[in-house]
Amino acid sequence: GNSVTQMEGPVTLSEEAFLTINCTYTATGYPSLFWYVQYPGEGLQLLLKATKADDKGSNKGFEATYRKETTSFHLEKGSVQVSDSAVYFCALRPRQAGTALIFGKGTTLSVSS
Amino acid sequence: SAVISQKPSRDICQRGTSLTIQCQVDSQVTMMFWYRQQPGQSLTLIATANQGSEATYESGFVIDKFPISRPNLTFSTLTVSNMSPEDSSIYLCSVRTSGGANTGELFFGEGSRLTVL
Repeated sequence: GNSVTQMEGPVTLSEEAFLTINCTYTATGYPSLFWYVQYPGEGLQLLLKATKADDKGSNKGFEATYRKETTSFHLEKGSVQVSDSAVYFCALRPRQAGTALIFGKGTTLSVSS
Repeated sequence: SAVISQKPSRDICQRGTSLTIQCQVDSQVTMMFWYRQQPGQSLTLIATANQGSEATYESGFVIDKFPISRPNLTFSTLTVSNMSPEDSSIYLCSVRTSGGANTGELFFGEGSRLTVL
């Protein structure tokens, strides 16, 4: 079946530190991959996406590369800010038409100044 | 993109009662989904709301407990029936627009936070 596994949180960093949140997936065929972010008290927002192998999604200084060989889509940012404190969800969309997204459990990031 | 409005944004309910959540989208959308996010947990798909026909439910969710309507391409409702404290959760409406059909991304409402006493 299809599934997403994220690293356990919470992740606690100081401002300007390097961030990596690991995400691996299991899927039939080649899914599309996404990172969503949920800021405190807000709804889910799409952060970035990649639809095929070796694609790199990027937004707001965050990056993730679709690695077919390792079935991974790790989220990285070179220098985090306090405003990046949120819950981050990795998700996949199977190739079958009409399917919803399958989400990982989420990783809470807390950045202190 | 799509702007999604959910009502109510939050509510406190008594055990045994039912509550209907409304989801209104600012444009016609092809796919609408209902998710549940229990405290500290990830999002779990409840069902796909199909326009003009019965919703398609995921394993562990049944129509009697979570009846869904979708009368047109911009609106859907989810009812949580005969609630118990275990139903305390955030319920999220999400949509896929035609522009996202190739990339598959979903847009989310801000959710309806239900607390059942």
